[in-house]
Amino acid sequence: GQQLNQSPQSMFIQEGEDVSMNCTSSSIFNTWLWYKQDPGEGPVLLIALYKAGELTSNGRLTAQFGITRKDSFLNISASIPSDVGIYFCAGPPFGSSNTGKLIFGQGTTLQVKP
Amino acid sequence: GAGVSQSPSNKVTEKGKDVELRCDPISGHTALYWYRQSLGQGLEFLIYFQGNSAPDKSGLPSDRFSAERTGGSVSTLTIQRTQQEDSAVYLCASSSYPGAKGADTQYFGPGTRLTVL
Repeated sequence: GQQLNQSPQSMFIQEGEDVSMNCTSSSIFNTWLWYKQDPGEGPVLLIALYKAGELTSNGRLTAQFGITRKDSFLNISASIPSDVGIYFCAGPPFGSSNTGKLIFGQGTTLQVKP
Repeated sequence: GAGVSQSPSNKVTEKGKDVELRCDPISGHTALYWYRQSLGQGLEFLIYFQGNSAPDKSGLPSDRFSAERTGGSVSTLTIQRTQQEDSAVYLCASSSYPGAKGADTQYFGPGTRLTVL
């Protein structure tokens, strides 16, 4: 089945630094989603991408839908302590039944040192 | 509250026992999803309900897992004869959109952490 490979697995950075993480797949996706999960909570959608090449921003977050439709990246600029959490890429598997179910990457754990 | 709620928040059980996990979706949401999150892993799709249609059970890992949704609202995920590998966080999500549009409109509950001893 389709899988999403997310990297890096974890990051430990200084407050104020920029962060970049990415997600790749061996098969194409028509939608890329980026979520953040805080401890003890469910994931919350940060950014949704629908078109190859699309670059979308949400505050200090920027995400891009790769031209090949097989990858996406998420950047966080000027990190702050509340950015701590697990970031997931996700997308609906291509060619599957039309249910809206999602495949998730393994997650990138971000820790920010004040 | 107005969000998705799940109960219990934590469940510890002995191997071989049955467990039931409950999800209360956002009022009016017709689509409901169950996912499983193992330690250090992403979420794994289990099952999808949409209105009165037959559920998509393609993600259920074995016949020990089942789920139902009564009255188009509350859903219960049942795991029979639990095994240690069933230990995980079970997350529920709901959406007001059916089908493909439900992909980017899912609101997740806080999850139930299941520990099988």
